Amino acid sequence: AQTVTQSQPEMSVQEAETVTLSCTYDTSESDYYLFWYKQPPSRQMILVIRQEAYKQQNATENRFSVNFQKAAKSFSLKISDSQLGDAAMYFCAYRFPHSGNTPLVFGKGTRLSVIA
Amino acid sequence: DTAVSQTPKYLVTQMGNDKSIKCEQNLGHDTMYWYKQDSKKFLKIMFSYNNKELIINETVPNRFSPKSPDKAHLNLHINSLELGDSAVYFCASSLIAGGPNEQFFGPGTRLTVL
Repeated sequence: AQTVTQSQPEMSVQEAETVTLSCTYDTSESDYYLFWYKQPPSRQMILVIRQEAYKQQNATENRFSVNFQKAAKSFSLKISDSQLGDAAMYFCAYRFPHSGNTPLVFGKGTRLSVIA
Repeated sequence: DTAVSQTPKYLVTQMGNDKSIKCEQNLGHDTMYWYKQDSKKFLKIMFSYNNKELIINETVPNRFSPKSPDKAHLNLHINSLELGDSAVYFCASSLIAGGPNEQFFGPGTRLTVL
């Protein structure tokens, strides 16, 4: 079974600084998808960024980028120029592209605090 | 317009009661899901439906029964509520099964069983 591990339960960063959240996963598949979701105090789950495993290029969305290391099964999220609004729980998630329904498998999350 | 909506957002009830949570998506998606987020924030899949058909049923007590009257709706009915059922329940939908397509989440329903 696929598992996703986030080894940092909590992280903090100074406003305008850069922080990296770690994620590793375990799978025997070669083709799959990886996601980072953000959950602010409002509880809403918001997609931050996604990566297809067959793509070597790391995904980037504005201040958010990933470091995808397929051989190491690592998928870290880098947040640049951190803002107060970035404070939230961040979940790494894996999705196996099967022909049937494939739900997300989530890590346990990292709580990010941003210090003004 | 809300893409995925859930009602109610908060639900407080006594042990032993039966309750339902409703979910609707207006995105035209074929696939809908129920996830449970426990007190430690861990999110886990409960059920998955594709075009009204149950596809995934994880190890969930049979007190939980999903129902999909049409592909835009996926409701969750819970019988004989227990203290351990207290959690946040999220409905989600996606356009096609599998693939990179984003899963859109509802706002969640916080269920508290007293």
